[in-house]
Amino acid sequence: EAQVTQNPRYLITVTGKKLTVTCSQNMNHEYMSWYRQDPGLGLRQIYYSMNVEVTDKGDVPEGYKVSRKEKRNFPLILESPSPNQTSLYFCASRRDPLYGYTFGSGTRLTVV
Amino acid sequence: GQQLNQSPQSMFIQEGEDVSMNCTSSSIFNTWLWYKQDPGEGPVLLIALYKAGELTSNGRLTAQFGITRKDSFLNISASIPSDVGIYFCAGPPRGSGNTGKLIFGQGTTLQVKP
Repeated sequence: EAQVTQNPRYLITVTGKKLTVTCSQNMNHEYMSWYRQDPGLGLRQIYYSMNVEVTDKGDVPEGYKVSRKEKRNFPLILESPSPNQTSLYFCASRRDPLYGYTFGSGTRLTVV
Repeated sequence: GQQLNQSPQSMFIQEGEDVSMNCTSSSIFNTWLWYKQDPGEGPVLLIALYKAGELTSNGRLTAQFGITRKDSFLNISASIPSDVGIYFCAGPPRGSGNTGKLIFGQGTTLQVKP
């Protein structure tokens, strides 16, 4: 089944403790992206990648890092999480810019 | 930066009613996408629009690419309880070219009363 898989689905962590949310897609898509969703703000793009080793900032990149060492994987790294990063995170992929992204099921992160 | 503004923010309707929502921007877009998010899930693409004036249907859903290229509309006919969810418009900002950049509106939350 074609899908975007992200893990974990739920995560509670403490301020300052580094964490990684994994994302993998099995559709051989060139483009991948991370979004966060907050009530009333819609989906805001954190980072995106156009191919292996090619990444760029979205609208809200502060406090996040990404890497794209392989085509199928695009992990999101929070080096020092803070409570304002409590949110619902989505990973997504697409085959080219003409098409919409296919989204994963989300990771609900709580930073206390 | 460029923004997409969706209206209304929320709707509470009776089953069987038709629904209309829109998405506007102060900037021109060359592509409009409409997504639906079911509770607890990621957004799913419903309709993609690529030309000004284009009208595209997907079952009971119909979306239009505004002729000014600054707006788009989504209509749902004869709503049913499973139409409940959040509807998002999205588009690549002007000048984003072939990058992965895609911005979303704030969403319209739809509730349907059986």
